[in-house]
Amino acid sequence: QPVLTQPPSASASLGASVTLTCTLSSGYSNYSVDWYQQRPGKGPRFVMRVGTGGTVGSKGDGIPDRFSVLGSGLNRYLTIKSIQEEDESDYHCGADHGRGSKFVYVFGGGTKLTVL
Amino acid sequence: EVQLVESGGGLVKPGRSLRLSCTTSGFTFGDDAMHWFRQAPGKGLEWVGFIRSKAYDGTTEYAASVKGRFTISRDDSKSIAYLQMNSVKTEDTAVYYCRVRNQQTFVDYWGQGTLVTVSS
Repeated sequence: QPVLTQPPSASASLGASVTLTCTLSSGYSNYSVDWYQQRPGKGPRFVMRVGTGGTVGSKGDGIPDRFSVLGSGLNRYLTIKSIQEEDESDYHCGADHGRGSKFVYVFGGGTKLTVL
Repeated sequence: EVQLVESGGGLVKPGRSLRLSCTTSGFTFGDDAMHWFRQAPGKGLEWVGFIRSKAYDGTTEYAASVKGRFTISRDDSKSIAYLQMNSVKTEDTAVYYCRVRNQQTFVDYWGQGTLVTVSS
């Protein structure tokens, strides 16, 4: 099954842009990844799904246009433009793997985004 | 509007049982698989398991960490999914979330979570 790797932390100034990275382990370059935002004390909120061709499906409810994704090789990126205070959150990536009795869903360790 | 509300969490002693509920509205519950996830205090997210829709026989799959102890079921008439937790361990302490995915748009919807604390 794939291993998803995320940097533990990132920071960006108010109004700036930041790109968060989720890296798939070798051999899984064709996998799509889901991005989630988790504000302090809240449950995960779906942002969007990304494959090698970019967005898969629709953005999550209420996700602003400032959020975009890109996929390249083993990396799946989430870019946030014009960062707001409300964007300070943990960002998780996840991916499903396998079918039938072999199905699992795996997550990266999450990236804590601090807005300066 | 899609809504999921988890309930049933609380303090439980090691080795005992607890049943969580995920009450839903705003979508055709019977058409969709329902997943459970958890997040231990200060830790990342972990998939617990899921139940398929009746169209796919309502079968279940589980993470290795809970297989044989946890059971997911569903009541399509009430639009509720359940997570039966047996033989709980201290490492099962976490906030538990349910999730549904729209298979056409790939958009997920999550509940707000319910806290389960396993302690003597």
